[in-house]
Amino acid sequence: EPEVTQTPSHQVTQMGQEVILRCVPISNHLYFYWYRQILGQKVEFLVSFYNNEISEKSEIFDDQFSVERPDGSNFTLKIRSTKLEDSAMYFCASESGSPGNEQFFGPGTRLTVL
Amino acid sequence: AQKVTQAQTEISVVEKEDVTLDCVYETRDTTYYLFWYKQPPSGELVFLIRRNSFDEQNEISGRYSWNFQKSTSSFNFTITASQVVDSAVYFCALRGLRTGANSKLTFGKGITLSVRP
Repeated sequence: EPEVTQTPSHQVTQMGQEVILRCVPISNHLYFYWYRQILGQKVEFLVSFYNNEISEKSEIFDDQFSVERPDGSNFTLKIRSTKLEDSAMYFCASESGSPGNEQFFGPGTRLTVL
Repeated sequence: AQKVTQAQTEISVVEKEDVTLDCVYETRDTTYYLFWYKQPPSGELVFLIRRNSFDEQNEISGRYSWNFQKSTSSFNFTITASQVVDSAVYFCALRGLRTGANSKLTFGKGITLSVRP
């Protein structure tokens, strides 16, 4: 069964460093998302991406964040200068595009900022 | 704005008991979709069920069933004959009819379910 994959599974970085989280969505999907979950809290929407541009972003997704789909398969989230409060689990999701279809989530990348 | 409230935070049951997880939502959309996701201790998010707002028929799928009531904006989820492997955090989520900007999922805070042997 097709699945969303994410790398790395765990990333440890120093405050102020740049990180890139990578995702490979399901191949025929058209809509892509990043969510984050601070430990013990709810899952929060960051950004949605369709047709090579951002569809919507939350207030969390400030200028430190960017997304890119550099080729036909990868979907990346970059944090330019990490802060302690960026420590969280980051989930990538993709969706086929039919209204109401579920979003399929990757296993997540746990980001730890020291 | 969309909002999902899961008032229960933690539930503990003994194996084979039935358990119902509550979800109440708010939305201005006339068409919307409701979901339940499961997050086991390993951390991934697993899709369980989906219901659209224009179909209030309640369904059963194996040990899972759901009760969608538009009049009370509730979308409750029941696990029948619970098993230890059901122990996880369960999230209720809401999304509007996709128009580009409405495609995000809004999650509740989650309910931690512990099933004891």
